[in-house]
Amino acid sequence: DAGVIQSPRHEVTEMGQEVTLRCKPISGHNSLFWYRQTMMRGLELLIYFNNNVPIDDSGMPEDRFSAKMPNASFSTLKIQPSEPRDSAVYFCASSLRSSTDTQYFGPGTRLTVL
Amino acid sequence: SQKIEQNSEALNIQEGKTATLTCNYTNYSPAYLQWYRQDPGRGPVFLLLIRENEKEKRKERLKVTFDTTLKQSLFHITASQPADSATYLCALDNGSGNTGKLIFGQGTTLQVKP
Repeated sequence: DAGVIQSPRHEVTEMGQEVTLRCKPISGHNSLFWYRQTMMRGLELLIYFNNNVPIDDSGMPEDRFSAKMPNASFSTLKIQPSEPRDSAVYFCASSLRSSTDTQYFGPGTRLTVL
Repeated sequence: SQKIEQNSEALNIQEGKTATLTCNYTNYSPAYLQWYRQDPGRGPVFLLLIRENEKEKRKERLKVTFDTTLKQSLFHITASQPADSATYLCALDNGSGNTGKLIFGQGTTLQVKP
């Protein structure tokens, strides 16, 4: 298996633009997680899905952020409009079930908002 | 408030020595705790999971302890090697019943010198 796949790996955009990050979880995994990592705040959970259904989005910073999982093999995280404070590395992770299973992280998308 | 604390300062040790990293938490009652390794520019990689009813767990040169009274986990790497240099993150479930929602510490950077 190729592991969790994220695209793009790097994104540079201007303030106010829409940004869409993409994730393909490991085949057969039922849970998907979106995280954001910054030096100041560390690794923070934004939202997670179980069987394509959003379970907890309490970590989503504000209404500018939205996430979807239309099927078991694809998820998106959208920021509209983007702001410089959104600059961070965004990770997607998947696990077999939502319980105590290991989470497998993707390589991340480094987002820079100018 | 809930808090997870790891040594913020980098840990520098000599090759062959044992590295000990600390994870302390407050106002949590986690059912389990996980340790991850993160290399620069990459996503975290799972190392070990220890449950609340386990005192100690080992995997090759790695050992983790979990003291729910002290609210502390210790992560040991014996016979350390320069290849062990990385940032190590501890993560707790948030205590609300095996939801898979992990809360991560800020991480401790380990540097093993040859």
